[in-house]
Amino acid sequence: GAGVSQSPRYKVAKRGQDVALRCDPISGHVSLFWYQQALGQGPEFLTYFQNEAQLDKSGLPSDRFFAERPEGSVSTLKIQRTQQEDSAVYLCASSLIFSNEQFFGPGTRLTVL
Amino acid sequence: RKEVEQDPGPFNVPEGATVAFNCTYSNSASQSFFWYRQDCRKEPKLLMSVYSSGNEDGRFTAQLNRASQYISLLIRDSKLSDSATYLCVVIGSARQLTFGSGTQLTVLP
Repeated sequence: GAGVSQSPRYKVAKRGQDVALRCDPISGHVSLFWYQQALGQGPEFLTYFQNEAQLDKSGLPSDRFFAERPEGSVSTLKIQRTQQEDSAVYLCASSLIFSNEQFFGPGTRLTVL
Repeated sequence: RKEVEQDPGPFNVPEGATVAFNCTYSNSASQSFFWYRQDCRKEPKLLMSVYSSGNEDGRFTAQLNRASQYISLLIRDSKLSDSATYLCVVIGSARQLTFGSGTQLTVLP
């Protein structure tokens, strides 16, 4: 079956622009996670959904970051008024339940100029 | 102090060598532990879960020491294809999920 897909794979934005990153999890996976990975670092947790409920958003770095999963499947991570420090790879992962193996998408590489 | 700490390396070892990585965690209530592998410019993929009793998968052995709050990964008979970054992952009681920064391994011919 298909794995986790993310789009776009690459995004270049001018500082101040809004961006929207999409994640299609594996069908039937209840849990969905967003991470931010800077160069040379491990993924940093941003937020977690169980179905459509956002149970943990403690990792979102500022109120410019917003995530949603309205129907419990596809999720969108939105970043408003992008800043240069937002440049990173944004990874989405899904799992059957929270503590199971997480399957990662290929990521979206965001570059803010 | 970071919640999950790993030696960033790099570890450069010859083919056939045995190499070990450690990872320490600060939250004593942590419940689940994993090792993930990440190839350059690729997404992380699960290598193995880590159980209290220790577990082995072929050339890979993972161990958990709750008293000292560290997990380890041992790779025997290293292959060129083992070259990657190895990430440890800790899940806490409040379902916080934390990755280490990763340990970079290069296996040399």
